[in-house]
Amino acid sequence: EAQVTQNPRYLITVTGKKLTVTCSQNMNHEYMSWYRQDPGLGLRQIYYSMNVEATDKGDVPEGYKVSRKEKRNFPLILESPSPNQTSLYFCASSLVGTLNTEAFFGQGTRLTVV
Amino acid sequence: GIQVEQSPPDLILQEGANSTLRCNFSDSVNNLQWFHQNPWGQLINLFYIPSGTKQNGRLSATTVATERYSLLYISSSQTTDSGVYFCAVVADSGYALNFGKGTSLLVTP
Repeated sequence: EAQVTQNPRYLITVTGKKLTVTCSQNMNHEYMSWYRQDPGLGLRQIYYSMNVEATDKGDVPEGYKVSRKEKRNFPLILESPSPNQTSLYFCASSLVGTLNTEAFFGQGTRLTVV
Repeated sequence: GIQVEQSPPDLILQEGANSTLRCNFSDSVNNLQWFHQNPWGQLINLFYIPSGTKQNGRLSATTVATERYSLLYISSSQTTDSGVYFCAVVADSGYALNFGKGTSLLVTP
């Protein structure tokens, strides 16, 4: 089944403890991206990747890192999480980097930083 | 950046009713999608529709790119249709889906 898989689905962590949210797609998509969703602010892009070893900042990249060493994986790294990073996170992928093809989203990761 | 406005912001329907959700956008786009966010938070793809009309069961969508709007039609609504409906667009030469604030739909029995 074609899908975007995020792990974990739920995570509660403490301030400053490094964490990684994984994202994997099995559709051979070039483009991958991370969004966060917050009440009143909607969905905002954190980082995106047009292909392997090609990443760029979105609208809200502060406090996050990403890497794209393989086409299928695009992990989101929080080196030192803070409570303002409590959010619902989504990974997305699309066939081509120009994003003029349908984008598919993972199931979401609910992160709470205390 | 491109602006995406959805209306109405909230909608309450009785089961079996029909509804139309609207999405206006401020610039030309090369991608427009409709999503349903279910009560568990998952974003479900409804339509990829940068132009034209599509139908999928009780749902259909129309995008008039030249006039910068899209419509999502829900017919014979069911309680399982409840949730938030998002329109998202990609501006020409853009690299992000820009989401509207959504329409929150509640279908009552």
